[in-house]
Amino acid sequence: NAGVTQTPKFRVLKTGQSMTLLCAQDMNHEYMYWYRQDPGMGLRLIHYSVGEGTTAKGEVPDGYNVSRLKKQNFLLGLESAAPSQTSVYFCASSDPNRNEQFFGPGTRLTVL
Amino acid sequence: EDKVVQSPLSLVVHEGDTVTLNCSYEVTNFRSLLWYKQEKKAPTFLFMLTSSGIEKKSGRLSSILDKKELFSILNITATQTGDSAIYLCAVGDYGGATNKLIFGTGTLLAVQP
Repeated sequence: NAGVTQTPKFRVLKTGQSMTLLCAQDMNHEYMYWYRQDPGMGLRLIHYSVGEGTTAKGEVPDGYNVSRLKKQNFLLGLESAAPSQTSVYFCASSDPNRNEQFFGPGTRLTVL
Repeated sequence: EDKVVQSPLSLVVHEGDTVTLNCSYEVTNFRSLLWYKQEKKAPTFLFMLTSSGIEKKSGRLSSILDKKELFSILNITATQTGDSAIYLCAVGDYGGATNKLIFGTGTLLAVQP
């Protein structure tokens, strides 16, 4: 039982490049989330999904897109990376009946 | 606008000290309050509180919620260097059946030997 996993762990991009972050969970959770964490800002919700095929915007969605084609996977895409997107990205999942979210190990992204 | 405020922002103590971390909130559709510990990587769950006045306890850590005054405290007794971490407070939003959490900025705790 791996819980929530994220790939890659680290990535360096140049401005304008694109990439996709993958999140996978094996707990059969309906809900999944993408956050970014910046110094002094706490965790901020980018996008979330309440089920396969559904996504919604969070607090800071601009510059990101997401897809949930399979229940266990939630993808976060950056179409044209900007230095302001340098951050640590966390994925999380939860059961609909509980507020507790389980987090992945994070992806450290640097955009030069 | 919903918000969660933690204090202090950072704290340095010595092993054996007792610390109290604070979390206040203004959230329209309050469902629960959660505490997480974050060391180098992912936040890990500590407690979830839904009712006022009922203390949750796990070893040297304990937490209590006051829904009238809209705050919670996390106590750590007999601190150890392994308690050094960022402690995150989050409030669960009942609205829209999304289980969204609103996080505070965290308290950075450093425990010195």
